Amino acid sequence: QLQLQESGPGLVKPSETLSLSCTVSGGPINSTSYYWGWIRIRQPPGKGLEWIGSIYYNGGTFYSPSLKSRLTLSVDTSKNQFSLRLSSVTAADTAVYYCARQNWIIAGLDVWGQGTTVTVS
Amino acid sequence: EIVLTQSPGTLSLSPGERATLSCRASQSVSTSYLAWYQQRRGQAPRLLIYGASSRATAIPDRFSGSGSGTDFTLTISRLEPDDFAVYYCQLYGSSPRFGQGTRLEIK
Repeated sequence: QLQLQESGPGLVKPSETLSLSCTVSGGPINSTSYYWGWIRIRQPPGKGLEWIGSIYYNGGTFYSPSLKSRLTLSVDTSKNQFSLRLSSVTAADTAVYYCARQNWIIAGLDVWGQGTTVTVS
Repeated sequence: EIVLTQSPGTLSLSPGERATLSCRASQSVSTSYLAWYQQRRGQAPRLLIYGASSRATAIPDRFSGSGSGTDFTLTISRLEPDDFAVYYCQLYGSSPRFGQGTRLEIK
């Protein structure tokens, strides 16, 4: 059974770079059927899901237009892992960050990590 | 840019009742790319419906999706306690986007 697990610091200072990784277990990241994505829910609660970006196993990326200037996604197939870097963070980037598998065959995000809370302060 | 608008913002119902949640797109979209997710408190979202009407793996048949063009509906036929959660519609694509969510609460 495929599982995704986010990891990274829970606290980041304003203007610094937020870095998270997502480790995929139970299956290879280098499948042609999937992209690997990041989604967040900003805090405080009341804001909905926000898609951040996604990456293919060969490094091809799609970024949210609103975050593109600050965002870098990368993939390490040897570690079965993909990563997010978001620069120049502010309090508005405080959120629960999820990684997820984007299944383009069914056009849905069908496997999710449990999420990790990142506070910018 | 296509915007998804969900209604109502909050829906108050009792267990056993039927829930009808709406998702309206600002322009016509392909049914192939419309999905629904459930997010229970403290949990990650879960894919319920893809392709507007196909249930994801292990999703009970109490959940059904319908619609086309700009108007889509998620129906939960008989609410169970675990169904009270936030529901999101999503348009899949190179830049996926979500509706703002409908909170389904116990009346």
